[in-house]
Amino acid sequence: DAKTTQPTSMDCAEGRAANLPCNHSTISGNEYVYWYRQIHSQGPQYIIHGLKNNETNEMASLIITEDRKSSTLILPHATLRDTAVYYCIVSAPNTGNQFYFGTGTSLTVIP
Amino acid sequence: GAVVSQHPSWVICKSGTSVKIECRSLDFQATTMFWYRQFPKQSLMLMATSNEGSKATYEQGVEKDKFLINHASLTLSTLTVTSAHPEDSSFYICSAEPRGAGGSDTQYFGPGTRLTVL
Repeated sequence: DAKTTQPTSMDCAEGRAANLPCNHSTISGNEYVYWYRQIHSQGPQYIIHGLKNNETNEMASLIITEDRKSSTLILPHATLRDTAVYYCIVSAPNTGNQFYFGTGTSLTVIP
Repeated sequence: GAVVSQHPSWVICKSGTSVKIECRSLDFQATTMFWYRQFPKQSLMLMATSNEGSKATYEQGVEKDKFLINHASLTLSTLTVTSAHPEDSSFYICSAEPRGAGGSDTQYFGPGTRLTVL
């Protein structure tokens, strides 16, 4: 079963930052937080992941709270192509690394 | 880098026939591959974990005799849906975990295969 909860849907104005929250209050010490997104009828696309520290790459930033019970994915300047379902997943590489997807957040970027 | 392909991208078959779906890691070796199924307007559901050279581990409720998984090499895993029925119609997606990824083992997903059973 998924160990994460996310809002069902969110809207964001084009050009503005999109902040997508995720709760993972039962996360274990060895579990990473992964973010993927899925555009309709395609396979999920990797965005970013982290363990404890905040992370940034060319696509997004990941902010993990100090207690690791929640995180936020930030898309700094949302474009129409960022409209997708965003999934937050917690998984431990040393115990099989199975991904159990929750319902995700459907992000709509509005012109 | 980290490209995963699936073949075919879509398939239509008659009820009772078997369908094989291939998943390939194109530019890396994958110790572990995973198979998922996704019904319309639903999330991805993990079906099984496949390790190269060993038997797949199936999630609870997934029939291993119906969904045959073979992971014969570090770049190829196959899923065979045996005696397919209309209720097996779904979007099947694989993912691959790079060998020796160390630390965090990011999964890279294929584009998916749309199966329609008539």
